[in-house]
Amino acid sequence: SYALTQTPSVSVAPGKTATISCGGNNIGTKSVHWYQQKPGQAPVLVIYYDTDRPSGIPERFSGSNSGNTATLTISRVEAGDEADYYCQVWDSVTYHWVFGGGTKLAVL
Amino acid sequence: EVQLVESGGGLVQPGGSLRLSCVASGFSFTDHYMDWVRQAPGKGLEWVGRSRNKANSYITEYAASVKGRISISRDDAQNSVYLQMNNLQTDDTAVYYCARERAAGPSDLWGRGTLVIVSS
Repeated sequence: SYALTQTPSVSVAPGKTATISCGGNNIGTKSVHWYQQKPGQAPVLVIYYDTDRPSGIPERFSGSNSGNTATLTISRVEAGDEADYYCQVWDSVTYHWVFGGGTKLAVL
Repeated sequence: EVQLVESGGGLVQPGGSLRLSCVASGFSFTDHYMDWVRQAPGKGLEWVGRSRNKANSYITEYAASVKGRISISRDDAQNSVYLQMNNLQTDDTAVYYCARERAAGPSDLWGRGTLVIVSS
C-alpha cells in the first residue's frame, strides 16, 4: 500500500519560514492535502490539491508538490502556528485515504 | 451553523461492540462523502473508512486494518452517518472523528471527535 513519510519534528523561530515535507513514491502525480491539528482539537484543512488554500487560511500557508516530495511552507511563522501537520493523499490502487505520520512544528 | 457532532463513544470491553453517530447540520448532507478518521492517544491520524453519497450509490470503503470488523452507514433523512464497530480490541482505543469530504476530495469539515476506550 502507498506510504507517506514525514519528518517527526521541525523547529523554527518566529518570523522565519517553516518547511514541512511529505515524501511518497511519485507523489507529484497525486493530489496532496494538508491538515493542521492543535492539541485537543480536530484537524483543520490548510492546503488542498497541492496548492489551494481554503477561505480563512492565511496566505502565509502555501504548498507545492513535485517528484517524490510535497511541501507545506509557512512564511512569517507565528506562535499560533505551533501544531501537528499531516499530509494526505488518495491511494487509487487500494481505494484508501493515506495520512503521513505527522510533523510537529515547534516555534522557538 | 455548519457542523458535525459525534456521539456514542465510551468504555467497552475487548470483544465488545459500539456504534458511533455523527449528525451534520448547516449544509446539504446528501451531497457529500462522509469519512471516519481515528487517532490513538499520542499518535497520528488514521483513516477508518467512508460512505460515498447517494449519487455514487452510497458505496463504502474501509481501511484494511478494520475491514471485516466495521460497517459505515448513513441516513440522509436524518443527516447522519454511523460507524458500527465489532470485536473491538485495545488498539482500537482512539478519538474517532467524523469528517466531510469536499467534492470527493479533502476533508474540509471535522467534528470534535468522540473517545472510544477499549479496556477490561
